[in-house]
Amino acid sequence: AQSVAQPEDQVNVAEGNPLTVKCTYSVSGNPYLFWYVQYPNRGLQFLLKYITGDNLVKGSYGFEAEFNKSQTSFHLKKPSALVSDSALYFCAVRPNDYKLSFGAGTTVTVRA
Amino acid sequence: GAVVSQHPSRVICKSGTSVKIECRSLDFQATTMFWYRQFPKQSLMLMATSNEGSKATYEQGVEKDKFLINHASLTLSTLTVTSAHPEDSSFYICSARQPMNTEAFFGQGTRLTVV
Repeated sequence: AQSVAQPEDQVNVAEGNPLTVKCTYSVSGNPYLFWYVQYPNRGLQFLLKYITGDNLVKGSYGFEAEFNKSQTSFHLKKPSALVSDSALYFCAVRPNDYKLSFGAGTTVTVRA
Repeated sequence: GAVVSQHPSRVICKSGTSVKIECRSLDFQATTMFWYRQFPKQSLMLMATSNEGSKATYEQGVEKDKFLINHASLTLSTLTVTSAHPEDSSFYICSARQPMNTEAFFGQGTRLTVV
């Protein structure tokens, strides 16, 4: 069985500071890994994905994530957070059976 | 990226009535669409996988007679909540994946309130 863990329910940072949202996974084989962002009462927006290749993946809105196979992690990062980055972030994994499994979500609050 | 449109965005209905939610892929053909349910401040729970031209595959614990899914074309899947009850109130989200693509694209979600 696969699982995705986002150990932090909430992350609070000041605008301009680095932002990190943690994600670890447990799945057999070589999964596809994703990050999505959700704004209130909206669907999910795709941020980035890791399939294969370079462990550092760059995505939308200045976000990036680093795949670490030995630690089974895929942490989302942004060097300088904006107030508009405040939202709910989901890490997801898709093993070979094409179904996405989502983490519980991390609420990010960026204060001005 | 690809666009998935979900309609309506909000709906309020009376107990015992049925509600239909549409999910359309606007600029690509989606052989597979997914329906999720999300409770406040919780993650998405996969309800069913919808395949064009065939019956949907429901996840364990999801009542297929209550949540009717139809995927009649490559661009449209519908979820009908039949005989809705207040406990069915939730945020429902669909997603679609292009056949040769790896990421899924999500609709805007539908806030269902049953009174």
